[in-house]
Amino acid sequence: TQLLEQSPQFLSIQEGENLTVYCNSSSVFSSLQWYRQEPGEGPVLLVTVVTGGEVKKLKRLTFQFGDARKDSSLHITAAQPGDTGLYLCAGAPTNAGKSTFGDGTTLTVKP
Amino acid sequence: ETGVTQSPTHLIKTRGQQVTLRCSSQSGHNTVSWYQQALGQGPQFIFQYYREEENGRGNFPPRFSGLQFPNYSSELNVNALELDDSALYLCASSLARGPTYEQYFGPGTRLTVT
Repeated sequence: TQLLEQSPQFLSIQEGENLTVYCNSSSVFSSLQWYRQEPGEGPVLLVTVVTGGEVKKLKRLTFQFGDARKDSSLHITAAQPGDTGLYLCAGAPTNAGKSTFGDGTTLTVKP
Repeated sequence: ETGVTQSPTHLIKTRGQQVTLRCSSQSGHNTVSWYQQALGQGPQFIFQYYREEENGRGNFPPRFSGLQFPNYSSELNVNALELDDSALYLCASSLARGPTYEQYFGPGTRLTVT
């Protein structure tokens, strides 16, 4: 059983559309990180969210941490082909201490 | 500032052999973590090293072992390779140990076991 469940697993959209991907858990996290990974490369850190209810923006990407610090979402506005990649969330539950990753959402943005 | 580097980029080994993968951490970082990423899955935590000592381990057998050197670079050793060990092995460095840290990943080593 995955500690961090990401949905959807796959998402294929047209350029210009908006989308939201989710990262959910039954555990409480002290922080969550979002990464983007391209084929054959390592994940690249996008953002860290720490406070329950926190919202962070990175250009067209908006990240939100749930009030209870058990879930997070990533919203992309006006998606572009360059946004294509595997989006991973990661964190360590407050009672465990080991960092864990979800299995990611594979996003394809078609021109 | 130098990023995280890993070597080799690709490796093909035969079942039963041993392999050593190498990682140089980002300048100023003292903690290195190793992950295994199978196709279609997220990275799975193998172990973490902080100041040359193991600081946490995931659900991997003892044939997965590691080292960290005084310059904070690290090695991952895998003995008695199995077909299921075929994966992308990622190294990540960070400024501090513990669960709430931002990690910076290298490009990975693609290991194929035949």
